[in-house]
Amino acid sequence: QVTLRESGPALVKPTQTLTLTCTFSGFSLSTNGMCVSWIRQPPGKALEWLALIDWDDDKYYSTSLKTRLAISKDTSKNQVVLTMTDMDPVDTGTYFCARMCATADYWGQGTLVTVSS
Amino acid sequence: EIVLTQSPGTLSLSPGERATLSCRASQSVSSVYIAWYQQKPGQAPRLLIYGASTRATGIPDRFSGSGSGTDFTLTITRLEPEDFAVYFCQHYGGSPRNTFGQGTKLEIK
Repeated sequence: QVTLRESGPALVKPTQTLTLTCTFSGFSLSTNGMCVSWIRQPPGKALEWLALIDWDDDKYYSTSLKTRLAISKDTSKNQVVLTMTDMDPVDTGTYFCARMCATADYWGQGTLVTVSS
Repeated sequence: EIVLTQSPGTLSLSPGERATLSCRASQSVSSVYIAWYQQKPGQAPRLLIYGASTRATGIPDRFSGSGSGTDFTLTITRLEPEDFAVYFCQHYGGSPRNTFGQGTKLEIK
């Protein structure tokens, strides 16, 4: 059974760095063909793909956000970490992690992050 | 960078009717790399269709996808009450790796 769960702060201040952790089970990121992505969704708005890390430690980022994002993995802990620097109120939204190289077949429940002073 | 434009923004239909949702790409893409998701309030999206026309595991056959080039369609025949949700299309494999459309809200008329 594949599960993913996001964890991290619910509230961050503008200019701070956000660190989110995705803890997963039911698959291994050391297995050929496996990837984890982060996707976010502002309240009432569309999905926005942020970053992806694959089994070979290759990393891919959103064109518009790549200067602010970093994704990493800890295979032994079955975790993927996303950091986003210089947070702004427009970054408020639900952040999801998903098992996703191409399509996202399993998702976490999402974690709401509010950026406010 | 490929931009996906979904239409209409909101579609109002009654249970039992047929829904046709559109996703238009800003340039021609391979249908292999188009997917559709359903999202209900407070939930994560659910994968419905990949490769433009292949249903994901457990998806009822009233959901179907089609299209090629720049125009793709998600069709839901005989709407059930649980089908009223927001639907997103996705393109994958390009640069950036993934792009989503802005969504179509399917609401009960």
